[in-house]
Amino acid sequence: GAVVSQHPSRVICKSGTSVKIECRSLDFQATTMFWYRQFPKQSLMLMATSNEGSKATYEQGVEKDKFLINHASLTLSTLTVTSAHPEDSSFYICSARDSGGGTYEQYFGPGTRLTVT
Amino acid sequence: SQQGEEDPQALSIQEGENATMNCSYKTSINNLQWYRQNSGRGLVHLILIRSNEREKHSGRLRVTLDTSKKSSSLLITASRAADTASYFCATDAGGNNRLAFGKGNQVVVIP
Repeated sequence: GAVVSQHPSRVICKSGTSVKIECRSLDFQATTMFWYRQFPKQSLMLMATSNEGSKATYEQGVEKDKFLINHASLTLSTLTVTSAHPEDSSFYICSARDSGGGTYEQYFGPGTRLTVT
Repeated sequence: SQQGEEDPQALSIQEGENATMNCSYKTSINNLQWYRQNSGRGLVHLILIRSNEREKHSGRLRVTLDTSKKSSSLLITASRAADTASYFCATDAGGNNRLAFGKGNQVVVIP
């Protein structure tokens, strides 16, 4: 089956620093990837849609200058949390849809646990 | 806004029993998907049911969709301890693959 990886799996950073999270589709191409965040014992909240070669589309209430998304290739999207604060601590999950798959199925990465101290 | 909304219940069942979860949503959809998430891990896609389908099976999973009631159910038959996880439904309403996730159901299967 299709595999999506995320790196790093866990990261701890200090307030005010920036953190970059990578999302890769390993065996398929993805023109569209999605970024979610999940708080403990809660559901996933869609943050933005990452489009290869163009600007990301952010959901209402998500600060695009704080959560920078770059989708520079058909297999890689990055999310950079800039000037991180403790309230940004969360579980960040990406997903990707196989561009050539002809289905609606999305494949999810294993998630990145971000802790801001 | 969240479309899929499961009944906010946590299930605790004995191994071998069946587990049923429900999901309701508010607007028209293209498809509805069920996912499983083990604690602190990513999501695993279980099954997708299109808006023109009423029932779908995959192994021990059975999903129903009632578009008139805007609801879906997920049945896990003959549950196993390994089925212990959170289960989410997600709706794709706009055809652009933006998924709206529900709150999730915590299922604990006791060996």
